[in-house]
Amino acid sequence: KNQVEQSPQSLIILEGKNCTLQCNYTVSPFSNLRWYKQDTGRGPVSLTIMTFSENTKSNGRYTATLDADTKQSSLHITASQLSDSASYICVVSANFGNEKLTFGTGTRLTIIP
Amino acid sequence: SAVISQKPSRDICQRGTSLTIQCQVDSQVTMMFWYRQQPGQSLTLIATANQGSEATYESGFVIDKFPISRPNLTFSTLTVSNMSPEDSSIYLCSVVTGLHYEQYFGPGTRLTVT
Repeated sequence: KNQVEQSPQSLIILEGKNCTLQCNYTVSPFSNLRWYKQDTGRGPVSLTIMTFSENTKSNGRYTATLDADTKQSSLHITASQLSDSASYICVVSANFGNEKLTFGTGTRLTIIP
Repeated sequence: SAVISQKPSRDICQRGTSLTIQCQVDSQVTMMFWYRQQPGQSLTLIATANQGSEATYESGFVIDKFPISRPNLTFSTLTVSNMSPEDSSIYLCSVVTGLHYEQYFGPGTRLTVT
C-alpha cells in the first residue's frame, strides 16, 4: 500500500531559526515528490517538485532533499519568518501511466516572534 | 501556471440539504480533480472530473453522493448531496498542467453541516 508519513506532526520554533521537516514514503513506482505549503483556510501551494534523479532543490529559503534509495525527503526552512506558519504537506506521485498522488498528513509549523 | 477560484468560499448547511461548489480555472486544462480535506487530515481524492464524460470516482465515493459536472475545460462543479455532519470538510478543486504535471489547488470551500 502506498503511504507517505511525515514528522513531526507539529513544530513550534522561534522566528529566525531554521527547521527541518521529514517525509518517508513507500510509493511505487516512484515518479516525483512534491512539497506543498498550506496556509490556514487556503489551498496548498507548490514549493518544490523533484524527480528520481534530483536530490536537492531550492525555492528561496526552502530547500528540499530527496534520497530515492532510502525513500526519504526533507524540507529545510532557513531563517524562518512569521509567514512560514502553515502546514507543509509531502506528496508522492506514482506513475501508473496516469499520475496517482499519495498525500502525507502534513506538519503543522508555527513560528513565534 | 493556473489560477483557480471556487465558490462559495464557505457555507453552513443543514442536514439533508445539498450544496453545489463551483470551480473556475483561468486556462483550459485537461485534468481536473476534486479533493476533500477533513479537519486535521490530509487531502483525499474524491474524483477526477472528465470533460464530456462521467467523472471517475475513487473508492469510497459515489456519484449519487457527489455528482460532478465538467461542461468544458475551464469549469467544474461538485455537489455534496443529502449532507450529514460527517460531510463537514474543506472541498478543494485542483488541476494538473504543464510539462512536469504541476498541480495547482483552489482556495477551497469550507463546508459545515449542522
